[in-house]
Amino acid sequence: GENVEQHPSTLSVQEGDSAVIKCTYSDSASNYFPWYKQELGKGPQLIIDIRSNVGEKKDQRIAVTLNKTAKHFSLHITETQPEDSAVYFCAASSKGQFYFGTGTSLTVIP
Amino acid sequence: EAGVAQSPRYKIIEKRQSVAFWCNPISGHATLYWYQQILGQGPKLLIQFQNNGVVDDSQLPKDRFSAERLKGVDSTLKIQPAKLEDSAVYLCASSLVLASDTQYFGPGTRLTVL
Repeated sequence: GENVEQHPSTLSVQEGDSAVIKCTYSDSASNYFPWYKQELGKGPQLIIDIRSNVGEKKDQRIAVTLNKTAKHFSLHITETQPEDSAVYFCAASSKGQFYFGTGTSLTVIP
Repeated sequence: EAGVAQSPRYKIIEKRQSVAFWCNPISGHATLYWYQQILGQGPKLLIQFQNNGVVDDSQLPKDRFSAERLKGVDSTLKIQPAKLEDSAVYLCASSLVLASDTQYFGPGTRLTVL
């Protein structure tokens, strides 16, 4: 089955700086890659997603890039704010199933 | 639009007891998922329903876990008997139709097995 690896596991940045989280996947059949933000005591919330026919997608301060050849995709958050502090998960969808990374705990220091 | 509802939010039981979780997906969503999220890890799929049929339950420990989706809407997940290693957050998610559609998660049920 699919194997999704996510790095780093923890990330601290100063407010206003950028944050980058990277994921790799193993199954070349994976065709949908969502990113979720999970705050303490809540379920994951979709923040951005990308499909395999697109290389990059941007939504305000958040962007995702996908390199199908290398089988990796990344989340970029610019101008970070304290409210961006949370755990972020990447996921890959292969053959109708979702496989999640192990999560990145992002702390934005005011 | 109302989100995915789950209850209870928290449950504490002793090992070997049984427990049940309930999920009400977003209205009109045909696909429903149950995930197990152990502390510090990403969600792991337990079972996926399409309407009231099971699409994938390959990672469901069927000797102790069971799930059903009543009339293709609400769903219950049961553990009997519970083990210490079942302590986790159980997340329910739903999507409109296809597996590649956006999944919407509920708040989860935090289970502690003593």
